[in-house]
Amino acid sequence: AQSVTQLDSHVSVSEGTPVLLRCNYSSSYSPSLFWYVQHPNKGLQLLLKYTSAATLVKGINGFEAEFKKSETSFHLTKPSAHMSDAAEYFCVVSPGRDSSYKLIFGSGTRLLVRP
Amino acid sequence: GAVVSQHPSRVICKSGTSVKIECRSLDFQATTMFWYRQFPKQSLMLMATSNEGSKATYEQGVEKDKFLINHASLTLSTLTVTSAHPEDSSFYICSASSYGTTDTQYFGPGTRLTVL
Repeated sequence: AQSVTQLDSHVSVSEGTPVLLRCNYSSSYSPSLFWYVQHPNKGLQLLLKYTSAATLVKGINGFEAEFKKSETSFHLTKPSAHMSDAAEYFCVVSPGRDSSYKLIFGSGTRLLVRP
Repeated sequence: GAVVSQHPSRVICKSGTSVKIECRSLDFQATTMFWYRQFPKQSLMLMATSNEGSKATYEQGVEKDKFLINHASLTLSTLTVTSAHPEDSSFYICSASSYGTTDTQYFGPGTRLTVL
């Protein structure tokens, strides 16, 4: 069975400090992994995706994530937080073997950025 | 590229009426479209998957007669909430994927439905 666990429901950082949003996954196959961001009352924007190429994936707005198979993790990082980064972040897995390519969402992590 | 729009962005209706929400892929052909529902401060729940020209596949627990989905073209899918009730009030989000990148979904901005 496939699942995604986001370890923190809320993360609070000061502007200019590093961001770490944690995600662990469970998948029977080689999955595709994604991070999406959602600002209040908005749809989801794709930050980055991993599809079995380079394990360190660079995304938009300075975010990156590292796929670690041995740890079944796909943590999202950013060296320096900006106020505009405050939003809800979803770690998502696509099992890849289902022809419908359903996405399995984590419960989300709300990032708060303090001035 | 890969822009998905939804219309309307907000709708308020009376209990018992039906509401139609449109989802359009603006710059690509969406072979598959997905409809999600999101309750406040919760994650997205997949309601159904639709392929162009085929009947939608509904997730367990989703009433297909209440949430009618039509995917008549490669750029348009509609979700109709029939005989809406206050408990149907929610944020509805669609997404679309294309034949070449089936593992990536591009999301619309969402529709806030309020049923009075």
